[in-house]
This record gives sequence, structure tokens and C-alpha cells, in this order.
Amino acid sequence: EVQLVESGGGLVQPGRSLRLSCTASGFTFDDYAMHWVRQAPGKGLEWVAGISWNSGSMGYVDSVKGRFTISRDNAKKSLLLQMSSLRPEDTAFYYCVKDMDAGRWLHLFESWGQGTLVTVSS
Amino acid sequence: MQMTQSPSTLSASLGDRVTITCRASQSISNWLAWYQQKPGKAPKLVFYTAPGSQSAVPSRFSGSGSGTEFTLTISSLQPDDFATYYCQQYKSHPWTFGQGTKVEIK
Repeated sequence: EVQLVESGGGLVQPGRSLRLSCTASGFTFDDYAMHWVRQAPGKGLEWVAGISWNSGSMGYVDSVKGRFTISRDNAKKSLLLQMSSLRPEDTAFYYCVKDMDAGRWLHLFESWGQGTLVTVSS
Repeated sequence: MQMTQSPSTLSASLGDRVTITCRASQSISNWLAWYQQKPGKAPKLVFYTAPGSQSAVPSRFSGSGSGTEFTLTISSLQPDDFATYYCQQYKSHPWTFGQGTKVEIK
């Protein structure tokens, strides 16, 4: 069974940094692209960033480019999101998400973690 | 690329056939997925299409469409189906979702 467990969320002041982690199990982690998708409380879904299985490709939504960095450690089966210069509009649940097919950069979101809440407020 | 769903809220009864519409601002062929989300839970992939294939879990979910207009149909609404549904295009960056359709009990 695929399991994705996020950690690292919390309350942070505007302009500060935070790092989210996701630990994966139940599948061959280094075969799959991974993503972060966020959801502001009571709002819709927004893809934030994605990374290919071998870290050869990364992508970001425009609103976080230059501020967020996605990375992965295949040996540790972990996905990371380094967030800097945080803004109140970054407040959201952040979900760690597994792509559908091994070896493909599909952006089809098959499995989701339970999410970790990031609150940006002074 | 914008994805627009209608209606925003849909009231229905157990056993009803319900249809949700999703429109893309430009053609996405049929690179489209649908997710179900219940309050306090993560989204769950329930249907997707791609050129030459499609998949639905469970089978009472079906989808149709190509280009810019798509539908998700639930053939006979079950208690587990009351939730919010989101469409998502996976044709091109940025990978965007619709704003959601809440299916509630009439």
C-alpha cells in the first residue's frame, strides 16, 4: 500500500522560511515523479511543484518560482520542499503526491498524503 | 490554462444520475482527470482519460469529452459519493484544477 507522510508544517512569519518533508513507502520511490499540491483552507487545489524520478526535471507554478525549491533523496525515499520568503497567500495544506506511471512525467496525481498545514502570519 | 466547472453545487438524492461539466480555456485533447475530496481528507483520483485509454474507480464513475468540454457522470449516486469533485488537466504546464463541484444531499 502506498503511504505518503508529510511533516514540517506550522506557523511561520511572513518573509521567513520553512522546509516540508514527505516520507514514502509501499512503492519503488525512485521510479516515480513526485509533486507538491496545496489547498488554502476552504479553497481549491493548486499544483505547486514537481520533480522527475531522477531529479533531472523540476517545475513550479509561477507564484512560487524563485522562492520554493523541490528536491528528493531517493536513498531515503523522501521528497522535500524548501519554502522561503513566505507570504500570507502561501497559507495552505500542502500535499505530497505520487505521479501515476513509473518513468513518466505525467502530472497525473495517483496517490496523496494527508497533508501538512502551513500558516503564514505575523 | 483555466479549467471551469459547473455547477458549483449540485443537490441530488441517492440513486440519482448526476453529471458535472468541466471546460478548458484551450484544447487539452483528453488529458483530463477527476478527483473526489471529502471534508478533512486528501483528494482521491476517481477517473482519468488519456489518448487511447481511460480508467474509473469505482465503475459507476464515467467520463466523456475531448478538446475543451468534458463531463463526469455518476450513474447511481451512493452515500460514499457525496463530496467535492475537481477536474484537472495534465496536457500542459501549469497543471491546473477546476474550482470544484460540491455534490450534496437533496
